[in-house]
Amino acid sequence: NAGVTQTPKFRILKIGQSMTLQCTQDMNHNYMYWYRQDPGMGLKLIYYSVGAGITDKGEVPNGYNVSRSTTEDFPLRLELAAPSQTSVYFCASTIQTGGQPQHFGDGTRLSIL
Amino acid sequence: LAKTTQPISMDSYEGQEVNITCSHNNIATNDYITWYQQFPSQGPRFIIQGYKTKVTNEVASLFIPADRKSSTLSLPRVSLSDTAVYYCLVGGTNDYKLSFGAGTTVTVRA
Repeated sequence: NAGVTQTPKFRILKIGQSMTLQCTQDMNHNYMYWYRQDPGMGLKLIYYSVGAGITDKGEVPNGYNVSRSTTEDFPLRLELAAPSQTSVYFCASTIQTGGQPQHFGDGTRLSIL
Repeated sequence: LAKTTQPISMDSYEGQEVNITCSHNNIATNDYITWYQQFPSQGPRFIIQGYKTKVTNEVASLFIPADRKSSTLSLPRVSLSDTAVYYCLVGGTNDYKLSFGAGTTVTVRA
């Protein structure tokens, strides 16, 4: 049981490039989340999904897109990378909202130069 | 969603008890209180959750007064490895968007 797996762990992009951050979970959780965490700050919600085929915006969705074609996978796409997107990205999942704890991956550290 | 307020930072020494209080004045009837711990370069990790009164597990205790407008996470006999950021979250089963604030940075010194 691997939990929540994120790939890659590190990535450097040039301004304007695009990439997809992968997230997969093997706990059959319906709810999945993407957060970003800037240095010394808390986590900000980018997008979330309540099940396959259903996604919605969080606090800071601009510049990102997501899809949820399966229960297991929730990739996050950056279309035109900008320096402001330099951050650590965390994916999380939970079996139920609010009252149930979220399980987090180890993060992807992304630098845009 | 209930807004939470917790101290930005706390310092302690090995072997001491650390108590972090989180204020959540507008907590709703069906809201749970959940605490997470985050070490550098890692994702947050669930440590404890409660609804009312007191909850204890092998890591921490959570004290919730009758009015539920605040909660206190208690870490007994901390060690250097307890140095981390601790987040207090409040939400119910219909809250899809939980808010992680800046958390409380706990620094344990030898």
